[in-house]
Amino acid sequence: DAKTTQPPSMDCAEGRAANLPCNHSTISGNEYVYWYRQIHSQGPQYIIHGLKNNETNEMASLIITEDRKSSTLILPHATLRDTAVYYCIVGKGKYNQGGKLIFGQGTELSVKP
Amino acid sequence: SQTIHQWPATLVQPVGSPLSLECTVEGTSNPNLYWYRQAAGRGLQLLFYSVGIGQISSEVPQNLSASRPQDRQFILSSKKLLLSDSGFYLCAWSVPLWDRGRGTEAFFGQGTRLTVV
Repeated sequence: DAKTTQPPSMDCAEGRAANLPCNHSTISGNEYVYWYRQIHSQGPQYIIHGLKNNETNEMASLIITEDRKSSTLILPHATLRDTAVYYCIVGKGKYNQGGKLIFGQGTELSVKP
Repeated sequence: SQTIHQWPATLVQPVGSPLSLECTVEGTSNPNLYWYRQAAGRGLQLLFYSVGIGQISSEVPQNLSASRPQDRQFILSSKKLLLSDSGFYLCAWSVPLWDRGRGTEAFFGQGTRLTVV
């Protein structure tokens, strides 16, 4: 499985954009990039995923570099409720791989007033 | 809509006692099912995953086992708990293999916090 590297922690001012980076230099061509977040003592919550193109949904935007070796999750207007640990995961999309998601240590985002 | 149920929410068990955690999914068929453990803060460790009834893959050697007696039921068990089994256990599901065009987006339950004393 490809590995990801994220900064252990980040701070962001409330109302500003939070840009969370992730390196996945060993990603293979059929692997997706997924982002999840975990608010304290809750189960992880899916945010967004992508393969090659940039993606946007009601929660966030995902920017994937052209070489696919890194990506950035953008929370456009961070709120205090966005304080959580954010996980960047590379998941196999092959039919016979069972769809395992291997979580790393993530980035602890603290949104401050 | 799909929902995932996991219980109990918290559990305190003595060392050497058995364990049974249950997870059920509603609103989908033939899901992939997963058990994760999170010990002392962040970092989720994949314990088991299943792509079908009776099909269990173990990711790490440990004191635990998993079973899938029905399509949407996933059970985590232990015959004798160890202190090191304490942690936050999470069940998750993802779309069936034949819908993989969406990628392996997974949905998690609210977890069981197990304390072995």
